[in-house]
Formats: sequence, C-alpha cells, structure tokens
Amino acid sequence: EVQLVESGGNLVQPGGSLRLSCAASGFAFGSYSINWVRQSLEKGLEWISYIGHTGDEKKYADSVRGRFTISRDNAKNLLYLQMNSLREDDTAIYYCAKDRGHCAGGGCYRYHDSWGQGTLVTVSS
Amino acid sequence: DIQMTQSPSTLSASVGDRVTITCRASQVISSWLAWYQQKPGTAPRLLIYQASNLESGVPSRFSGGGSGTEFTLTVSSLQPDDFATYYCQQYNSYPYTFGQGTKLEIK
Repeated sequence: EVQLVESGGNLVQPGGSLRLSCAASGFAFGSYSINWVRQSLEKGLEWISYIGHTGDEKKYADSVRGRFTISRDNAKNLLYLQMNSLREDDTAIYYCAKDRGHCAGGGCYRYHDSWGQGTLVTVSS
Repeated sequence: DIQMTQSPSTLSASVGDRVTITCRASQVISSWLAWYQQKPGTAPRLLIYQASNLESGVPSRFSGGGSGTEFTLTVSSLQPDDFATYYCQQYNSYPYTFGQGTKLEIK
C-alpha cells in the first residue's frame, strides 16, 4: 500500500524558514516523480513544486520560485521542501503527491495518484 | 497559466440523483485532465484521469468526459458517501492548475 507521510509543519514568523519532509513507503520511490501541493482557504488547491524521479528535474510555481527548494533522498525514501522567506500567504496545508502518467508525443503527462495526509504551515507574527 | 473554472460552485442534490459538474479550461488541454474528491479533513483522492479513465477502486457510478476545453464529471446515482468537494486539475502543462472546487451538498 502506498503511504506518504508529511511532517515539519509549524507556526513560523514572516521571513522565517521551515523544512517539510515526506516519508514514502509501499512503492519504488526512486522510480516516481513527486510534487508538493498546498491548500488554503484563499487560494484553494495550488500545485507548487515538482521533482523528477532522479532529482535532476525540478519545477516551481511562480509564487514560490526563488524562496522554496524541492529535493529528495532516494536512498532514504524521503522528499523535502525547504521554505525560506516565508510570507503570510504561504499559510496552508502542504501535501506531497506522487505522480503517475506517461510520456507521449514529446511530452510527459502526470497526475497525482496518491497523496499524503498533509502538514499545516502557519506564517504569522 | 491555464485557468480552470468549475461550475456550479455548490450543488444541492439528493441520494439517487444524477449530477454533472463542468470544468472549463482557458486553453486547449487535450484530455490531460484529472478529477479529485475531497472530504473535510482529508487529502484529495484521485477519481478520474485522462478525462475519462476511472481510477482503480472508484465506483463505476462516477464517469468523466470531454476533451479540449470542456469536461464533465457525472455521478449516475448519488450515494451518501459521495457528498464531498470535487476538483478538476489540468496536467497538460506546468504550472498544473486546479479548479476552485464544487461542493456537493445533501438537499
């Protein structure tokens, strides 16, 4: 059974930093790309970052580019999100979400077939 | 970025009803669309991928359709467990984007 368990969420002041982790089990972690998706009342569901299965390919939403860094440790089955320069509008539940999909016609198309339970990040003074 | 617009935002229905939720993309996304179900306090759950493919374990009363810019999610006969919020998501291009959600309520 696929399991994704996020941790690291906390209350942090604006301008502060936080590192989230996502522990994976039940599948060949190193063979799948993974994402971070967040959810807030104001913005709803928002995809924020993607990392390819080797860790070489990374993508970010404009809202977090330059402040957040995604990484993974395939030997430990762990995904990370380093969040710096946090702002109040980063307040949200953060989910890790495993990809499934395929590549065709020169493109790769991936949807999120498994999600963790989420971890709450609150940015407030 | 591709904008996804769902309608309606809220839908009141009864057990046994047939309901349809619509999702429109601001650009052509072929069939690269997924539908998710979310209940309070839980993570989204994948229902449909590639517009019309039912995820394993999802009841057959759920179905998806459409291509290009217009898509639908239909529940053929609502069951008590189906009252939840539903989201569409395009995965044609990054940044992947979600609709704002449709809350399915008991009438």
